[in-house]
Amino acid sequence: GAGVSQTPSNKVTEKGKYVELRCDPISGHTALYWYRQSLGQGPEFLIYFQGTGAADDSGLPNDRFFAVRPEGSVSTLKIQRTERGDSAVYLCASSSDTGGGRSPLHFGNGTRLTVT
Amino acid sequence: AQTVTQSQPEMSVQEAETVTLSCTYDTSESDYYLFWYKQPPSRQMILVIRQEAYKQQNATENRFSVNFQKAAKSFSLKISDSQLGDAAMYFCAVNTNAGKSTFGDGTTLTVKP
Repeated sequence: GAGVSQTPSNKVTEKGKYVELRCDPISGHTALYWYRQSLGQGPEFLIYFQGTGAADDSGLPNDRFFAVRPEGSVSTLKIQRTERGDSAVYLCASSSDTGGGRSPLHFGNGTRLTVT
Repeated sequence: AQTVTQSQPEMSVQEAETVTLSCTYDTSESDYYLFWYKQPPSRQMILVIRQEAYKQQNATENRFSVNFQKAAKSFSLKISDSQLGDAAMYFCAVNTNAGKSTFGDGTTLTVKP
């Protein structure tokens, strides 16, 4: 079946603008994760959904970042008043995990965000 | 909180040879899972191998195997008969029942023909 889909694949925006990044997980996967990856580094956790609710949002860096998953499927990561330091690849992943942690993550191709 | 350390930013191996990538981790949980992921230049991260911490037997997947030393909190990846397609960045990750995975900073593997 289809994998995790992220759109857009690339996004260039000006400092101070608002952006939305979309993630369409594998059908039936209840768990959805957002990570941020800077060049030469590992993915950094942002937020984790189990169904419609955010089970853990401890990785969101500040209140400019917000994510939703209203129907338990597609998720949108929203960044307000973007800053140049927000430039990174934003990765979305889903899994069939229901909380035990045993299931691997299935990643999308990421969205490369560049803030000028 | 957990931490993952990959002490080798870069490694290289001759085609058909064997290479081992190191990973150490720290977690206060007794139940957890360990993963190795591969990220080629195309960017999509894919699973290489998984290890349950409660299992003493090391996981193997074809040419990929792990050396899991629970007491030392070490989880290395061995790639046998290296192929050009193995060239990528490799990430070690630990996942507890809290759900989220914590990743290391990766090792870039170069395979020389």
